[in-house]
Amino acid sequence: QKEVEQNSGPLSVPEGAIASLNCTYSDRGSQSFFWYRQYSGKSPELIMFIYSNGDKEDGRFTAQLNKASQYVSLLIRDSQPSDSATYLCATGGGADGLTFGKGTHLIIQP
Amino acid sequence: EAEVAQSPRYKITEKSQAVAFWCDPISGHATLYWYRQILGQGPELLVQFQDESVVDDSQLPKDRFSAERLKGVDSTLKIQPAELGDSAMYLCASSSTGSTEAFFGQGTRLTVV
Repeated sequence: QKEVEQNSGPLSVPEGAIASLNCTYSDRGSQSFFWYRQYSGKSPELIMFIYSNGDKEDGRFTAQLNKASQYVSLLIRDSQPSDSATYLCATGGGADGLTFGKGTHLIIQP
Repeated sequence: EAEVAQSPRYKITEKSQAVAFWCDPISGHATLYWYRQILGQGPELLVQFQDESVVDDSQLPKDRFSAERLKGVDSTLKIQPAELGDSAMYLCASSSTGSTEAFFGQGTRLTVV
């Protein structure tokens, strides 16, 4: 059974700093990885996906994947108070449903 | 921008009553998922459809939950009878064939009293 592990936090980061969110997964055969942002009481919103080892950048967000270590991370540069949310790491998709971690609660301190 | 539509947004029901949720995926998306998210946890897959066929319902409590997608478009998830432990957010998501990216609707917040 696939498992995705995340530190639940809260992770507190000063405004303008880099927030680093981490995730490990159990299934070595996992191919696709996703980061969702979820504001309190709202549904998850897809912000990044990554399939290949290395880094993928999109604006202030960078996803990093290391398949050998079974490790995925999300970096948020120039953190803003509006980035305060729970960030969910997930793997799977397509023919398989997504397997989610419990999420990391991120707080950006003004 | 195309969205996954869900209704109702909120539902309060008494235990032992029946409750139903509706989902309309993004137009053209053949894959539809129902997830349940308990407060403080990540979403858990309940059932996955490809068109009108169930692909995976291994985590669906079949003694009380049922799901259908009769024409391969919109879908209904039913709980009968509801139990206190069913209180959660019920999320519908969809993706297009060949894509791994899934997009979520606004969800239905269920409270069983």
